[in-house]
Amino acid sequence: DQQVKQNSPSLSVQEGRISILNCDYTNSMFDYFLWYKKYPAEGPTFLISISSIKDKNEDGRFTVFLNKSAKHLSLHIVPSQPGDSAVYFCAAMSTNAGKSTFGDGTTLTVKP
Amino acid sequence: GAVVSQHPSWVICKSGTSVKIECRSLDFQATTMFWYRQFPKQSLMLMATSNEGSKATYEQGVEKDKFLINHASLTLSTLTVTSAHPEDSSFYICSASDKVYEQYFGPGTRLTVT
Repeated sequence: DQQVKQNSPSLSVQEGRISILNCDYTNSMFDYFLWYKKYPAEGPTFLISISSIKDKNEDGRFTVFLNKSAKHLSLHIVPSQPGDSAVYFCAAMSTNAGKSTFGDGTTLTVKP
Repeated sequence: GAVVSQHPSWVICKSGTSVKIECRSLDFQATTMFWYRQFPKQSLMLMATSNEGSKATYEQGVEKDKFLINHASLTLSTLTVTSAHPEDSSFYICSASDKVYEQYFGPGTRLTVT
């Protein structure tokens, strides 16, 4: 059973518009959520995170929203830039377990 | 800061041989290191978690006798793929952590077994 799901394998948006990447989870023990960006043949790099006690966290162009009741989080990128084109992974962890569970990733393409 | 390196970045080996991959935290002491495997167009699959000086904890379905993990120091962990076979060909990524919520990834190692 996949505990973290990113149902959209790919997303294409125009430069300057908003990109919204979605992630759903099933394990109610998860209390911390992270988004990573990954280029081909490279390791993921941390983007932004959110604790389960919050419903929003913002860092520059990136905002993560958490809806605990729906077990859903989303990453908003605005405005989107061509350099944002990459694979985005959602990850969830429970503090006690100390390890992250990753979704399958969403490939974002930002067109100039 | 928080740089993690992996060596080699790419390795080709013959079936039946063993391959060692190194993961180093260059500017911090990593109490915990993680090893992941990524298949094409798929997610990162956690293979094992290792803490310095103790045995690695393997995820269900990962053969600990095939994927030997050693975390000898706070800056070095190694993954040895023993008696490699073509199905072991994959992209292996390590990450290092010194805090619960922070995890820094290496650039990955592409293993091809012929």
